[in-house]
Amino acid sequence: TQLLEQSPQFLSIQEGENLTVYCNSSSVFSSLQWYRQEPGEGPVLLVTVVTGGEVKKLKRLTFQFGDARKDSSLHITAAQPGDTGLYLCAGATYNTDKLIFGTGTRLQVFP
Amino acid sequence: NAGVMQNPRHLVRRRGQEARLRCSPMKGHSHVYWYRQLPEEGLKFMVYLQKENIIDESGMPKERFSAEFPKEGPSILRIQQVVRGDSAAYFCASSGTGSQPQHFGDGTRLSIL
Repeated sequence: TQLLEQSPQFLSIQEGENLTVYCNSSSVFSSLQWYRQEPGEGPVLLVTVVTGGEVKKLKRLTFQFGDARKDSSLHITAAQPGDTGLYLCAGATYNTDKLIFGTGTRLQVFP
Repeated sequence: NAGVMQNPRHLVRRRGQEARLRCSPMKGHSHVYWYRQLPEEGLKFMVYLQKENIIDESGMPKERFSAEFPKEGPSILRIQQVVRGDSAAYFCASSGTGSQPQHFGDGTRLSIL
């Protein structure tokens, strides 16, 4: 069974702090997506990383795909209350197009 | 709104009734995926369909659950004889091809009385 473990599970920080969320697996993925989900809504795609070692930046968010394509990280610089939400990583496998979702990281940023 | 549309947003059924969940993919997308999110759990894959074909149903319970994506109209996830354990949020996602990123709808929240 393919699993994606995210850490930390919960994170409460003050506005302006930096944070990193980790997504780890023993499986290799063809690509990895990061989503953010608000209560009562569906996951919204933030980024897709495809190449091992790839780094993508989206304003204050930096995403990295591990060299071995088994892990990924999301770093947020100078967090803002608007960053509050559930962050999900999801891996796509080589032999199927279904997504394997991580366990999620619930982020709360206080003003 | 050109996004993935799901309806109804909320559905209440009594045990033993049938539930029908509908999903219209983004314009131009022909690949549809259904996921289930149980309370306090992550999203779990259920089924992957292309027009008129089921490609992967490895996440679907063997009984009571079925899915279709007809040539015309939305994709339908059908749950027969619902039980309390079926209460969950059901999300649909679509993509242009199997390898492109999946975009999600806002889900249908199914409650079983």
